[in-house]
Amino acid sequence: AQSVTQLDSQVPVFEEAPVELRCNYSSSVSVYLFWYVQYPNQGLQLLLKYLSGSTLVKGINGFEAEFNKSQTSFHLRKPSVHISDTAEYFCAVRAGGYNKLIFGAGTRLAVHP
Amino acid sequence: DGGITQSPKYLFRKEGQNVTLSCEQNLNHDAMYWYRQDPGQGLRLIYYSQIVNDFQKGDIAEGYSVSREKKESFPLTVTSAQKNPTAFYLCASQGQGGYEQYFGPGTRLTVT
Repeated sequence: AQSVTQLDSQVPVFEEAPVELRCNYSSSVSVYLFWYVQYPNQGLQLLLKYLSGSTLVKGINGFEAEFNKSQTSFHLRKPSVHISDTAEYFCAVRAGGYNKLIFGAGTRLAVHP
Repeated sequence: DGGITQSPKYLFRKEGQNVTLSCEQNLNHDAMYWYRQDPGQGLRLIYYSQIVNDFQKGDIAEGYSVSREKKESFPLTVTSAQKNPTAFYLCASQGQGGYEQYFGPGTRLTVT
């Protein structure tokens, strides 16, 4: 069975500082990995995805993530955050051959001026 | 504009009443999903459907029911058997051969 662990429930950071949101997964088969963002009282929006190929994936809003198979991680990074990045971020995994996503519990990113 | 619509945005019901949440998509996607979101618990899968007239239970199906009579519609009924129905409900869809899911704006259900 697959599972996703987001290691931080909340991450406070100052504006223009770098940030990393951590995600680890477990799976016995090959996986596809995703990061979604959710603003208050809204649905989820896809930030980026890893399907295959280059382990460094670039997404929208200046975010990027690196797939590390040996450490079973898919951490999300941004070199300089803005107030508008304040939101909840979800890591998700889909095992090859399955049509369901497994989500982590989410990380609330709070950007302070 | 292509997308997923959920209505209403906010819904209030008395305990003991069934309530149906609407989800419509015009993306021509085959698969549709219903999730429940509670604070600090991420998203949990209630039901999903990969094709018209077929659906499967997710991880927390008890107290919920669905139908899939049309490709573009996947309504969710929250029955009186659901012990804690107050939550944020999200609908999603996925295209054939696609990998990611696309989400609607959600419906916040409050039962008192």
